[in-house]
Amino acid sequence: DAGVTQSPTHLIKTRGQQVTLRCSPKSGHDTVSWYQQALGQGPQFIFQYYEEEERQRGNFPDRFSGHQFPNYSSELNVNALLLGDSALYLCASSLSVSSYNEQFFGPGTRLTVL
Amino acid sequence: AQSVSQHNHHVILSEAASLELGCNYSYGGTVNLFWYVQYPGQHLQLLLKYFSGDPLVKGIKGFEAEFIKSKFSFNLRKPSVQWSDTAEYFCAVNANNQGGKLIFGQGTELSVKP
Repeated sequence: DAGVTQSPTHLIKTRGQQVTLRCSPKSGHDTVSWYQQALGQGPQFIFQYYEEEERQRGNFPDRFSGHQFPNYSSELNVNALLLGDSALYLCASSLSVSSYNEQFFGPGTRLTVL
Repeated sequence: AQSVSQHNHHVILSEAASLELGCNYSYGGTVNLFWYVQYPGQHLQLLLKYFSGDPLVKGIKGFEAEFIKSKFSFNLRKPSVQWSDTAEYFCAVNANNQGGKLIFGQGTELSVKP
């Protein structure tokens, strides 16, 4: 049973560019959440997708957007990259949006903005 | 706004020593509480969780945590640590009415000396 997978593993971009990160949820899961983990910090919630709609959003600017596909996979897009966007981006999947369901995390995508 | 504080940034112990990692949260409503662990080079994984009932919860690998509502605390304990417990530990909270949005603490790095 495949767990949560993310691609790419590492990415280097320059300021002002745009980036797309991808996530495939654990088999049987229909909800995907994205988190940003800066160095030395805990993960920060970006947003959550369920039934192809953004259900919740954390305190992140509109430069951060996402999408969920009919097969439940998801993308995170970041426009106009800033140096401060350098971080590990984690995807987590769960069964529905219930707060009682365990979230399973992927290995993350390490984004470096130069 | 909800927040989670982990008081110890880095803890160094010898094998067989007892462990207690502090976690306090700020939120006035009903919450679900989690401890996640990230072993070197691995994904975040759930160690234990508390939803309701017995405030002393047991997790994997001999870990336990106690929810003290009056102190807004959810401290993690283990009677005797092993070298293999070396990892980063994150406390997380979500509110019952906020679906799967997890609020994480900044993490505690545990180093166990053999």
